Amino acid sequence: EAQVTQNPRYLITVTGKKLTVTCSQNMNHEYMSWYRQDPGLGLRQIYYSMNVEVTDKGDVPEGYKVSRKEKRNFPLILESPSPNQTSLYFCASSSQNYGYTFGSGTRLTVV
Amino acid sequence: GENVEQHPSTLSVQEGDSAVIKCTYSDSASNYFPWYKQELGKRPQLIIDIRSNVGEKKDQRIAVTLNKTAKHFSLHITETQPEDSAVYFCAAGNTGKLIFGQGTTLQVKP
Repeated sequence: EAQVTQNPRYLITVTGKKLTVTCSQNMNHEYMSWYRQDPGLGLRQIYYSMNVEVTDKGDVPEGYKVSRKEKRNFPLILESPSPNQTSLYFCASSSQNYGYTFGSGTRLTVV
Repeated sequence: GENVEQHPSTLSVQEGDSAVIKCTYSDSASNYFPWYKQELGKRPQLIIDIRSNVGEKKDQRIAVTLNKTAKHFSLHITETQPEDSAVYFCAAGNTGKLIFGQGTTLQVKP
């Protein structure tokens, strides 16, 4: 089944403790992206990648890192999480001519 | 920076009526305009999209129009049904960089 898989689904962590949210797609898509969703703010793009080793900042990249070492994987790294990064995170992928397919989401709480 | 404005933020219609959601965008380089539907607790799902070389596209009860000169595009849902109730997002950009509007909560009353 074609899908975008992100893990974990739920995560509670403490301020400053490094964490990684994994994302994998099995559709051979060139493009991958991370969004965060907050009430009233819609979906805001954190980072996106157009292919292996090619990444670029979205609208809200501060406090986040990404890497694209393989085509199928695009992990999101929070080196020192803070409470304002508490949010619902979505990974997404697409081929060049189609819109993003989203993963199921990761609900992150930073206390 | 670039942004996408979406209106209205909430919309309530009677079953069978039409619903229209409008978006404006600021980046004139945008050439791809998808619409997503997000049901409560679920992921956003692509329902229709349009590219800048097309003015209108229709898929059954859903249609999207694009006015590139004015930098606005709209989603039209006809003969609304209760299962159309959800949050709808417009987006504008290129296939990699995609900026979303703030969302419209559509309620269809039976």
